[in-house]
Amino acid sequence: QKEVEQNSGPLSVPEGAIASLNCTYSDRVSQSFFWYRQYSGKSPELIMSIYSNGDKEDGRFTAQLNKASQYVSLLIRDSQPSDSATYLCAVGGGYQKVTFGTGTKLQVIP
Amino acid sequence: DTAVSQTPKYLVTQMGNDKSIKCEQNLGHDTMYWYKQDSKKFLKIMFSYNNKELIINETVPNRFSPKSPDKAHLNLHINSLELGDSAVYFCASSQGGQDRDQPQHFGDGTRLSIL
Repeated sequence: QKEVEQNSGPLSVPEGAIASLNCTYSDRVSQSFFWYRQYSGKSPELIMSIYSNGDKEDGRFTAQLNKASQYVSLLIRDSQPSDSATYLCAVGGGYQKVTFGTGTKLQVIP
Repeated sequence: DTAVSQTPKYLVTQMGNDKSIKCEQNLGHDTMYWYKQDSKKFLKIMFSYNNKELIINETVPNRFSPKSPDKAHLNLHINSLELGDSAVYFCASSQGGQDRDQPQHFGDGTRLSIL
């Protein structure tokens, strides 16, 4: 059974700080990694996708992938109250079979 | 201009009834999915179709039957609804690929409540 693990939180950070969200996965052959944001009562929306080891930056967001450690993280710089949401890590092994983690709830305190 | 649209948004019905949820995408994607998100917010894949062909069929009661008339549509029919079926059902779509999974785009969800 492929597993994707996230700390459920809540993770509380002050406004303007860096929020660090972590995710580990069990399937070594996983090739595709995604971070989604889900506001309460809304649908998941894609923030970042990453396929290669290293860092990928998009605005205030940075995804970090380490396949050897089976670890993927998301950093949010200059956190804003509007970033308060649940962040879902998703891992795929090809053929469009993607497994989602249970999500980490982030609270940004003004 | 909604990319992935689901109907209805809310569905309140009695136990034992049969209901359907419809999904349409206008993104030109060839893969569509149904997910169930329970009260604990865990998003679990139920089914996936690629070009009208069923490619993912997770352990789901056979009361749930998907149907894809074409690659832009994926419907979900549920027979004999039970209390445990209460959840939010999300439709999603993506461009298919064997090696590299593509990001999925989600509909707004259908909130199903069983009385």
